[in-house]
Amino acid sequence: GENVEQHPSTLSVQEGDSAVIKCTYSDSASNYFPWYKQELGKGPQLIIDIRSNVGEKKDQRIAVTLNKTAKHFSLHITETQPEDSAVYFCAASTIQYGNKLVFGAGTILRVKS
Amino acid sequence: SAVISQKPSRDICQRGTSLTIQCQVDSQVTMMFWYRQQPGQSLTLIATANQGSEATYESGFVIDKFPISRPNLTFSTLTVSNMSPEDSSIYLCSAEQPPYEQYFGPGTRLTVT
Repeated sequence: GENVEQHPSTLSVQEGDSAVIKCTYSDSASNYFPWYKQELGKGPQLIIDIRSNVGEKKDQRIAVTLNKTAKHFSLHITETQPEDSAVYFCAASTIQYGNKLVFGAGTILRVKS
Repeated sequence: SAVISQKPSRDICQRGTSLTIQCQVDSQVTMMFWYRQQPGQSLTLIATANQGSEATYESGFVIDKFPISRPNLTFSTLTVSNMSPEDSSIYLCSAEQPPYEQYFGPGTRLTVT
């Protein structure tokens, strides 16, 4: 089955700097890759996603890139703000097989002001 | 995006008892999912609940322990049966909205003593 590895486990950046979180997946059949932000005491919030027919997607300060050949995808946050501090999870799924998300271990992002 | 609510938000239960968690979606959805998130950990899929069919369980999860109901297109329940302290976790439901996005509820924080 699918296995998703996520790095780093913790990331501290200064406010205004960029943050990058990387994930690798094992199943070449995976074709959907969402990213979630989870704040303390809340459920995960979908912040951006990408499908395997797209190499890059951007939404304001966040972007995701996908390299299908290398089986890895990354989340990029620019101009970080203290409210970006949270746990970020990447996930992968195969849409044809019921879109069951397999999550990475998570990255604790701390933005220092 | 779908708005999802869960009840209860948290509970403390005695070992050997059962708890039923309710998940309500503000729109009709075909696919709903139940996940478990152990303290400080990532999310693990328990089962997929499609309206009109039996829930399908992931490896390591069985119907006798986690019975699921899906009576209509906006509602599902997960029961945690014969609880032990190892069942202490956050239980999250999600709903899929076309094309593929999954939105999560706020979670139910369960402590078993």
